[in-house]
Amino acid sequence: DADVTQTPRNRITKTGKRIMLECSQTKGHDRMYWYRQDPGLGLRLIYYSFDVKDINKGEISDGYSVSRQAQAKFSLSLESAIPNQTALYFCATSDRRLAGVQETQYFGPGTRLLVL
Amino acid sequence: AQSVTQLGSHVSVSEGALVLLRCNYSSSVPPYLFWYVQYPNQGLQLLLKYTSAATLVKGINGFEAEFKKSETSFHLTKPSAHMSDAAEYFCAVSAKNNNAGNMLTFGGGTRLMVKP
Repeated sequence: DADVTQTPRNRITKTGKRIMLECSQTKGHDRMYWYRQDPGLGLRLIYYSFDVKDINKGEISDGYSVSRQAQAKFSLSLESAIPNQTALYFCATSDRRLAGVQETQYFGPGTRLLVL
Repeated sequence: AQSVTQLGSHVSVSEGALVLLRCNYSSSVPPYLFWYVQYPNQGLQLLLKYTSAATLVKGINGFEAEFKKSETSFHLTKPSAHMSDAAEYFCAVSAKNNNAGNMLTFGGGTRLMVKP
């Protein structure tokens, strides 16, 4: 079973609709991240959370919001989707106890979102 | 501030040929450097990472990378390409700031194609 799962894997929505992307992990990690991937731009950080009560904006948070419902769950919402938000979205986790040298981010399989 | 530049968004090699994927970084503090691989329809998987223990880093699947501070480079190599190496490769940098966690900045990615 995958350690980091994302639902849905694919989603088509219309401009103006609110949608939620969900991420769950069984790795027991406290840190979780949301990225979007666009061709030629690599991955850019949207939001990150170091624990349930700690939420931080990343490089490109405008138009997005997040919720950390539990240590294992981190959801990304698009309040009013626009075509510019068409992208591949990745969730990732890491372990604070391994901060620094050993810390590695582990990625989910991604959600492909198309906003029409 | 930190940034990553990957030269060549697409690289094509013949099976058995040398693989060289270029990565240059900028960082105001000593960096940690990473290479991730993304196979089709999958999330990112850590290939290798540099944490200052040794300048030549060996990773999975026969890949290695050499940290060259004077050239601010961390190029990825493999002596002999295999068809299964076809994927997208991402170079990433993070600052050695344990308080801020392992915040990654990604390059734009290089798609490696392997010809039979």
